Amino acid sequence: AQKVTQAQTEISVVEKEDVTLDCVYETRDTTYYLFWYKQPPSGELVFLIRRNSFDEQNEISGRYSWNFQKSTSSFNFTITASQVVDSAVYFCALSPYNTDKLIFGTGTRLQVFP
Amino acid sequence: EAGVVQSPRYKIIEKKQPVAFWCNPISGHNTLYWYRQNLGQGPELLIRYENEEAVDDSQLPKDRFSAERLKGVDSTLKIQPAELGDSAVYLCASRGHPTRGFTDTQYFGPGTRLTVL
Repeated sequence: AQKVTQAQTEISVVEKEDVTLDCVYETRDTTYYLFWYKQPPSGELVFLIRRNSFDEQNEISGRYSWNFQKSTSSFNFTITASQVVDSAVYFCALSPYNTDKLIFGTGTRLQVFP
Repeated sequence: EAGVVQSPRYKIIEKKQPVAFWCNPISGHNTLYWYRQNLGQGPELLIRYENEEAVDDSQLPKDRFSAERLKGVDSTLKIQPAELGDSAVYLCASRGHPTRGFTDTQYFGPGTRLTVL
């Protein structure tokens, strides 16, 4: 079965705190892609990152960083020095190789308070 | 570059009424997707088009849902008749082909929030 689990339903932090959003996936494929999307209150899903299964190098983009560990089937997302504008629902997604499908987790709602 | 455009943004109808949603993908994107997102859940694929051809409609409830993409650009998703359980956000996404200089990533529109009373 192919599945994405985001166990954290909701996280609340105060501005400037660091926060990590967890993502665990299941797949039997050796080749696949992992994504993170942000869904602000406006409703649009905003693409954040795409990672293929052969690239386990961690990535940093400004205040955002991603930790991909195949050994634990996890693709966690950390926001450093969170800001109120980071408040949104964040979705992790799995795309099995050669399927063009996105299998989403149930999302984690992040609330950043001033 | 304009993103994926959807209209209307909100729609409230009574059950058994028909409803239609419209999507205009990013220019040059030949793959178009319709997703349904229930409250508190991630989006789930309803149908995928490659140009004007529906290549994956296995999750589309065909008794009441239909979709079309006649000229391989804009698409319309229709529900007739709507049921209470159809209340959800309907998202459209598009993707270009890497051989044409696009990244292999789906980009989403703002969605249409449907409420069926």
